[in-house]
Amino acid sequence: EVELVESGGGLVQPGGSLRLSCVVSGFNFNAHSMDWVRQAPGKGLEGLEWVAHMTSGGNGIYYADSVKGRFTISRDNAKRSLFLQMDSLRVDDTAVYYCARTSRLLCTNGICPIDSWGQGALVTVSS
Amino acid sequence: EIVLTQSPVTLSLSPGERATLSCRASQSVKNYLAWYQQKPGQSPRLLIYSASNRATGIPARFSGSGSGTDFTLTISSLEPEDFAVYYCQQRYSWPGFTFGPGTRVDL
Repeated sequence: EVELVESGGGLVQPGGSLRLSCVVSGFNFNAHSMDWVRQAPGKGLEGLEWVAHMTSGGNGIYYADSVKGRFTISRDNAKRSLFLQMDSLRVDDTAVYYCARTSRLLCTNGICPIDSWGQGALVTVSS
Repeated sequence: EIVLTQSPVTLSLSPGERATLSCRASQSVKNYLAWYQQKPGQSPRLLIYSASNRATGIPARFSGSGSGTDFTLTISSLEPEDFAVYYCQQRYSWPGFTFGPGTRVDL
């Protein structure tokens, strides 16, 4: 069974840092690109915001403009883990952060959707 | 950055009715569009990928169509468990794999 488990969320002051981890099981982590997606709580339709993407080998890394220069995605294939280092945190970074797997099977011309999600980790940025 | 717009914001329907949800892209995403369902307190679930392909285990009442800039998710006959929020996402344009703002299907 595919499983993704996030940890490391919590309360942090504006300007502070936090590191999220995601440990996976049930699939060949080395072979999959991975994403972080976040969702701000309590605002009616709580939209999803894509945050960052990292290819399976780690050579392709992409960020949303809203986090570029402040967040760093990384992975340790030996430990089956994905990370998100979040620096210079702002109040509007408050959200549930999901670790997500890019499919390797449900693809068209090499373009693949997210097909599995973790349960999410809540990050609250507040003074 | 490609912007996705979803309509309507809320769709109020009854079980057994047909639901038609729209997702429009600010520029072509070819057919690289996915639909996700999210229920309260749960993570999103992939329903449709590449605009019209059902993901594994998704019931046949869910169907997707469209290409370029206009896409539709149709639920042919709503079941009680289908009342949820639905998001579209484009995977065509690097670096921003943008999501739409969502459509809530309400009872």
